[in-house]
Amino acid sequence: DAGVIQSPRHEVTEMGQEVTLRCKPISGHNSLFWYRQTMMRGLELLIYFNNNVPIDDSGMPEDRFSAKMPNASFSTLKIQPSEPRDSAVYFCASSLGDRVNYGYTFGSGTRLTVV
Amino acid sequence: AQSVTQLGSHVSVSEGALVLLRCNYSSSVPPYLFWYVQYPNQGLQLLLKYTTGATLVKGINGFEAEFKKSETSFHLTKPSAHMSDAAEYFCAVTDNTNAGKSTFGDGTTLTVKP
Repeated sequence: DAGVIQSPRHEVTEMGQEVTLRCKPISGHNSLFWYRQTMMRGLELLIYFNNNVPIDDSGMPEDRFSAKMPNASFSTLKIQPSEPRDSAVYFCASSLGDRVNYGYTFGSGTRLTVV
Repeated sequence: AQSVTQLGSHVSVSEGALVLLRCNYSSSVPPYLFWYVQYPNQGLQLLLKYTTGATLVKGINGFEAEFKKSETSFHLTKPSAHMSDAAEYFCAVTDNTNAGKSTFGDGTTLTVKP
């Protein structure tokens, strides 16, 4: 298995632009998590899905952030408009939600820089 | 509600010395506990996990952790540190609710001195 695949690996964009981050979970995993990591705030859970349905989006910082999971093999995290304070590494992780002892598999992350 | 506390945001050891990274958890139900490692510019990788059964769990790269219910702890150890162990380590707890959602600690950065 190729693991959790995130794209792009790096994104540099100007303030005010729309940014879309993509994630392909491991086939058969039915839970998907989006995290943001910064030096100041550490690892933050933004939103998670189970069976393609958003379960908890309380970590999404503002209405500028949105996430979708149209099918079991694809998810997007969109920021519109982007701001410099959104600069961070964004991770996607997947798991077997009905096996709570399974653990997460993380992607390699997308490093977002908003200038 | 569940929570994780990692004592010490930075730990420094000499190469060959014992590594001890501390993790205490809080959970209202029997917990499932995990340690993850993050090397620079990479995602987190599962190092080891405790689910049920044997309380001493062995993971990759010579690491192990012991679940102590009476102390609500799940400390990570390695008898002899190697330079390649330098990384950030995260403890996490999951219970049998919330579709497998884990709560992560703040992380501990391990530095290994030559």
